[in-house]
Amino acid sequence: KNEVEQSPQNLTAQEGEFITINCSYSVGISALHWLQQHPGGGIVSLFMLSSGKKKHGRLIATINIQEKHSSLHITASHPRDSAVYICAVTGGATNKLIFGTGTLLAVQP
Amino acid sequence: GAGVSQSPRYKVAKRGQDVALRCDPISGHVSLFWYQQALGQGPEFLTYFQNEAQLDKSGLPSDRFFAERPEGSVSTLKIQRTQKEDSAVYLCASSLGFWGQDQMNTEAFFGQGTRLTVV
Repeated sequence: KNEVEQSPQNLTAQEGEFITINCSYSVGISALHWLQQHPGGGIVSLFMLSSGKKKHGRLIATINIQEKHSSLHITASHPRDSAVYICAVTGGATNKLIFGTGTLLAVQP
Repeated sequence: GAGVSQSPRYKVAKRGQDVALRCDPISGHVSLFWYQQALGQGPEFLTYFQNEAQLDKSGLPSDRFFAERPEGSVSTLKIQRTQKEDSAVYLCASSLGFWGQDQMNTEAFFGQGTRLTVV
């Protein structure tokens, strides 16, 4: 079993829909990261959080430490949101990232 | 530069050839990580540097993989006698590093990656 699990693996939405991607982890962490990767592109950090909720534009990330669960929400989705969204956690002496397998999101116009 | 820079962006190597991948982290970033991302998979940790010290190399898949960061800035990942299974995108990330419980310093900034294809 992976230490970081994401669902769904693939998601297709219509423009304007509200989107939720879920992440569960089984290890102790110092922080949880939501990352975005476009095809052929590098990885961009969207959020880093250790408690509560953060909002940036149309993106909202929440984390429940007790339940070891986080969600990434996208409001009013747009085709340019199409990308792979990756949940990753840091912890331990080196704070290396442990990645989930990603969620491939396609937003259709 | 303003971000993490990796070179080359693309590398095609014949099986058995040695390759060297370069990473220029953000200036002043203490921590540097290398990750390997196979097609359709999430990145996997390879190795970690804090300044010039390689503190964790537990993710290196074999002794054909070697990484260095001799002056605590630029890092090179070297793969000797490349095999087809080495084909992947190699990602470099840097962060300020962490001091005690200051979690903000663990935010990672990624390069565009080097896509290695071994034929």
